[in-house]
Amino acid sequence: GVTQSPTHLIKTRGQQVTLRCSSQSGHNTVSWYQQALGQGPQFIFQYYRKEENGRGNFPPRFSGLQFPNDSSELNVNALELDDSALYLCASSLDGGQVPTGELFFGEGSRLTVL
Amino acid sequence: DQQVKQNSPSLSVQEGRISILNCDYTNSMFDYFLWYKKYPAEGPTFLISISSIKDKNEDGRFTVFLNKSAKHLSLHIVPSQPGDSAVYFCAASFMDSNYQLIWGAGTKLIIKP
Repeated sequence: GVTQSPTHLIKTRGQQVTLRCSSQSGHNTVSWYQQALGQGPQFIFQYYRKEENGRGNFPPRFSGLQFPNDSSELNVNALELDDSALYLCASSLDGGQVPTGELFFGEGSRLTVL
Repeated sequence: DQQVKQNSPSLSVQEGRISILNCDYTNSMFDYFLWYKKYPAEGPTFLISISSIKDKNEDGRFTVFLNKSAKHLSLHIVPSQPGDSAVYFCAASFMDSNYQLIWGAGTKLIIKP
């Protein structure tokens, strides 16, 4: 399945954080979502074949990478208090064509910014 | 601007009865709708989906109904089982950016024994 690390972390405002995700075997697409408390997930961006393949309404201080083994990182610079949330990684096939394949989610990384 | 709304934060249903979870949307251009289920400390898992050209899709105990004129969809679970207790999310997507799911806030379903 999809695994994420770390599961929990605490940072202070202004710091930088890197979250990691290992895709499900055979999947070539990774999406990242932010879920604030009491809300549904919000799309951050997607990586397909190492390229950013779409981006939601998030500032450039949210950036990502996809590696040759299709694992992925989410980097957030200059952390703000509102960045406190559960960050979910999802893997899929072929650019995440939703009608032909659902997203497979990891358990998430819970980030607290103090 | 919430394009997908789940107005019931929680729902309690007796085991064996029908559970009906509701979802409303505002954008008539959505062309695909999905339901995900989430247990505590786990990521969401896909449950069932429906294309905007259909009005019903069934998979075992789960049926999703789509009413395009009302911009409303519902998930029916019959019969409800204790393992169905979870948070249920409704999500939608557009044809030209179908990698991006737009989610509701979720409904917590509690199945009482």
